[in-house]
Amino acid sequence: GENVEQHPSTLSVQEGDSAVIKCTYSDSASNYFPWYKQELGKRPQLIIDIRSNVGEKKDQRIAVTLNKTAKHFSLHITETQPEDSAVYFCAASSLRDFGNEKLTFGTGTRLTIIP
Amino acid sequence: EAQVTQNPRYLITVTGKKLTVTCSQNMNHEYMSWYRQDPGLGLRQIYYSMNVEVTDKGDVPEGYKVSRKEKRNFPLILESPSPNQTSLYFCASSWGGHLNTEAFFGQGTRLTVV
Repeated sequence: GENVEQHPSTLSVQEGDSAVIKCTYSDSASNYFPWYKQELGKRPQLIIDIRSNVGEKKDQRIAVTLNKTAKHFSLHITETQPEDSAVYFCAASSLRDFGNEKLTFGTGTRLTIIP
Repeated sequence: EAQVTQNPRYLITVTGKKLTVTCSQNMNHEYMSWYRQDPGLGLRQIYYSMNVEVTDKGDVPEGYKVSRKEKRNFPLILESPSPNQTSLYFCASSWGGHLNTEAFFGQGTRLTVV
């Protein structure tokens, strides 16, 4: 089955600097890669996703890049702000038997923005 | 408002006492799943359902049961809870299948088994 590894597990950056979180996946058939943000005590929520036919996607201060050959994808947050402090999860979606998708999550990165 | 609702939010129980965590979604999603979240392990899938009366095991199904009698509801059942099932549980729903769309999560249920 799919295996998703996420690094680093914790990350502290100065407010205004950039943060990068990296994930690798094992199943070359995976074709959908979402990123979820979980604030303290809250539920995970989708912040950005990318499909396998695209190499990069941006949404304001957030961008995701995908390298299918190397099987890794990354989340980039620029001009970080205190409200970016949260746990971030990457995920990869692969197909199970009978065509149904399966979402496998990484172990999470706790991002702390230092004012 | 589109949402996934779990109940209860917090639960403390004793070993062996059967319990059910409910999950309901109002988005007419076909795909629903249960995850447990443990420190350092991320979100691990327990069970999933592709539609009414169609369920299957995820990565960590031992000690859990589910049912999907209606499209909107997907309860998680612990027949005989044990301390190693102490965790934060999330229900999620999405369109599923080949569509690869956003998963909407419930608020979470923090379960403690003593």
